[in-house]
Amino acid sequence: NAGVTQTPKFQVLKTGQSMTLQCAQDMNHEYMSWYRQDPGMGLRLIHYSVGAGITDQGEVPNGYNVSRSTTEDFPLRLLSAAPSQTSVYFCASSPSDTLRRGEKLFFGSGTQLSVL
Amino acid sequence: GENVEQHPSTLSVQEGDSAVIKCTYSDSASNYFPWYKQELGKGPQLIIDIRSNVGEKKDQRIAVTLNKTAKHFSLHITETQPEDSAVYFCAASISFQKLVFGTGTRLLVSP
Repeated sequence: NAGVTQTPKFQVLKTGQSMTLQCAQDMNHEYMSWYRQDPGMGLRLIHYSVGAGITDQGEVPNGYNVSRSTTEDFPLRLLSAAPSQTSVYFCASSPSDTLRRGEKLFFGSGTQLSVL
Repeated sequence: GENVEQHPSTLSVQEGDSAVIKCTYSDSASNYFPWYKQELGKGPQLIIDIRSNVGEKKDQRIAVTLNKTAKHFSLHITETQPEDSAVYFCAASISFQKLVFGTGTRLLVSP
């Protein structure tokens, strides 16, 4: 049981390049989400999914795409990287999105992305 | 939408002292208030949470208090240890997809 696995751990891109950040969970969680963490700004929600085939936008979705073809995987795509997307990205999952008693959000270890 | 403010941004204490981190929120509908600990190079990890139907919750050296009238909640760590050094985040929400985080507090516990 690995929990939430993110790859890669580090990535450097040039402006305009595209890439996909991978996120996989082996806990059969329905809810998955992507956050970005910037200094002095806490974590901000980019996109989330409440189940396979269902995605929605969070607070800062511009420049990012997501899809959820399976329960386990929730990749985050940067279509044309910009320096403003330099950040640490975290994937998180939970059994559901309804905060049932005892449920909590599990985070991956993050991907540090630099866009030059 | 929800707005969460967290203070202080940095907190230095001596080992054995208590540490208190405070957060205020704006949306009176929020009913879930978790606290996360983030160690260097790792993702945030839930350490304690409280729901709006209780005023205080304890787990060993950690406690959280909630004042819904004033819209603020606090994290209390007693008998601090060097391994408590980390960044702590509060958050508030009515659901996971609406979870709004504070800006974080860097806690340094000196031996």
